[in-house]
Amino acid sequence: DAKTTQPTSMDCAEGRAANLPCNHSTISGNEYVYWYRQIHSQGPQYIIHGLKNNETNEMASLIITEDRKSSTLILPHATLRDTAVYYCIVRELHNQGGKLIFGQGTELSVKP
Amino acid sequence: EPEVTQTPSHQVTQMGQEVILRCVPISNHLYFYWYRQILGQKVEFLVSFYNNEISEKSEIFDDQFSVERPDGSNFTLKIRSTKLEDSAMYFCASTASRNTGELFFGEGSRLTVL
Repeated sequence: DAKTTQPTSMDCAEGRAANLPCNHSTISGNEYVYWYRQIHSQGPQYIIHGLKNNETNEMASLIITEDRKSSTLILPHATLRDTAVYYCIVRELHNQGGKLIFGQGTELSVKP
Repeated sequence: EPEVTQTPSHQVTQMGQEVILRCVPISNHLYFYWYRQILGQKVEFLVSFYNNEISEKSEIFDDQFSVERPDGSNFTLKIRSTKLEDSAMYFCASTASRNTGELFFGEGSRLTVL
């Protein structure tokens, strides 16, 4: 079962920052936080991941709280093409097989 | 940019028929996965594969399913005798590292069982 809790849906205005929260209160020290997204039944797409430090790449920023019990994915300037389901996933560092377990995710709608 | 490719994009089959879904992972990747997504539901893990054997499988991956990498490039998922409830999108994924590496997913194969 997924170890994360996310809002079912969110809206964001085009051009504004989208801030997607995730709770992972039972995360353990050897577990990373991963974010993926799925655009309309396409294959899931990797966005970013982190352990305890904040991370930034060309797609997004990941802010992890100091106690690591929650995180926020930030899309700095959301576009219509960012409309998708966003999945926050906790993944054990040495998990057998390296699988990801997807939850229900947050359906983000970016509106003009 | 390297990508995972899957064929066919859509297959329609009769209940009870065998189906093989094919995937070409990214060339230097060593770990391979199959996931499925029933329409309107979440993405579900089926199986992981490394070094020509299954690393882990879910409860969904019963005796009707099998995987193999017959020629060192293709990674296949076989469903021996399809059921109506096997209708879903099937996603293949691969990664270079099972620990922290990102999984790269293909665009999926839609299976419709009639």
